[in-house]
Parts: sequence; C-alpha cells; structure tokens
Amino acid sequence: ILNVEQSPQSLHVQEGDSTNFTCSFPSSNFYALHWYRWETAKSPEALFVMTLNGDEKKKGRISATLNTKEGYSYLYIKGSQPEDSATYLCAFMMDSSYKLIFGSGTRLLVRP
Amino acid sequence: NAGVTQTPKFQVLKTGQSMTLQCAQDMNHNSMYWYRQDPGMGLRLIYYSASEGTTDKGEVPNGYNVSRLNKREFSLRLESAAPSQTSVYFCASRLLRVTVDGYTFGSGTRLTVV
Repeated sequence: ILNVEQSPQSLHVQEGDSTNFTCSFPSSNFYALHWYRWETAKSPEALFVMTLNGDEKKKGRISATLNTKEGYSYLYIKGSQPEDSATYLCAFMMDSSYKLIFGSGTRLLVRP
Repeated sequence: NAGVTQTPKFQVLKTGQSMTLQCAQDMNHNSMYWYRQDPGMGLRLIYYSASEGTTDKGEVPNGYNVSRLNKREFSLRLESAAPSQTSVYFCASRLLRVTVDGYTFGSGTRLTVV
C-alpha cells in the first residue's frame, strides 16, 4: 500500500506570516509529485508538477522543493494572505502508472 | 471552455438504487479519472481511463463500474448503492504528458445514500 503523508493536518497563521508544509512519499519508483490548492466549495487546482530531484518551482508567493531520494517535498508560502486559505494537497505518481496517490492535505487558515 | 463538467451536482439515493454519474471534458485530454473524497481522507482513485477505449481499477473500485464512452466522456455507475458510498465524487482529466500536466478537476457530485 502506497502512503502519502502530509503534515501538519491543519495550520492557522496570521496574515503576513510565512509558512511551510511537508509531503512525504515513497522514495522508490518515483515519477512525479503534484501539488494542488483546494478552496472550500471549489475543485482542486494544480499548482506544481515536479519530477526531478532538487527541483524547485515557484508561482508568486508560493514555492515548492523536491527531494526524491529521501521522499519529501516542501511547499512554502511567503507572506500569507487570507486568500491563501485553502487545503493544499500533494499527490505522488509512480513510474509506468497513470495514477496519482493523494495525501489527505494540509488545511491552511490565514487570519487577517 | 467549460473544462470538466460533472452532473448531477447533488443526489440522494436509497440503498439498492442505481445511478450513473456523468463526466465530460472539452480540453481534448486523453486520461480521465474518478475519485471519491471522504472526511479526513485524501482523494481515493476509484477507476481511471488512460486513453479512449481503456479502463482500469484504482484503489477502491468495489461497487462501481465505468464506461469511457468516447474521448470526452467518462461515466461512473453505482449498480446497487450502499450507505458506504456516501461521498463526494470528483472527475478529473489530464493530457498524456505525465511530467508536465496537472489534473483538471470537475466541481464534484455530492452523493448521499440513505
């Protein structure tokens, strides 16, 4: 059974704080790691697709790093804003598979 | 472009009833997926279709069947609904570039089985 773990489960921060979450995944048979942002009452939206060890991606104030050898990825949000409040999902893809295995997400609440 | 469209948005079924959840995408995507989302759990893959004409089981296929009707449409059928199938169901699609493209999700179908 493949396990994708995310921590923390939930996080409350103050507007302007920077924060980060962790996604842990199997280090063998790695193919890709996805990050999604999921706002309440909406559908998940893709943030990043990462494939190479050491890869770093950035979109505005959000960035992500990837370590495939030890099986983890970090998502960083710099200067959190209330509109960043959402659940952030990571998902692991094995090679020769079309399937994504999702973690249960980190729920972020940014207080004004 | 509508993206991924799911119907219905809400449904209440009695135990033992059957129904089909519809999903259509207009992005010419090759792969399509059905996930269910339950409280405290991540999205779990029910079935997927890597390309038109193929379907495969995911993590939790029991009690479901699927049809990839054409490139655009991928339906999920519950033959005899059970309370354990109460969930939010998401359809998703993706181009076949596994190292580049994220999934595009529909807005979900909230199903309650009583």
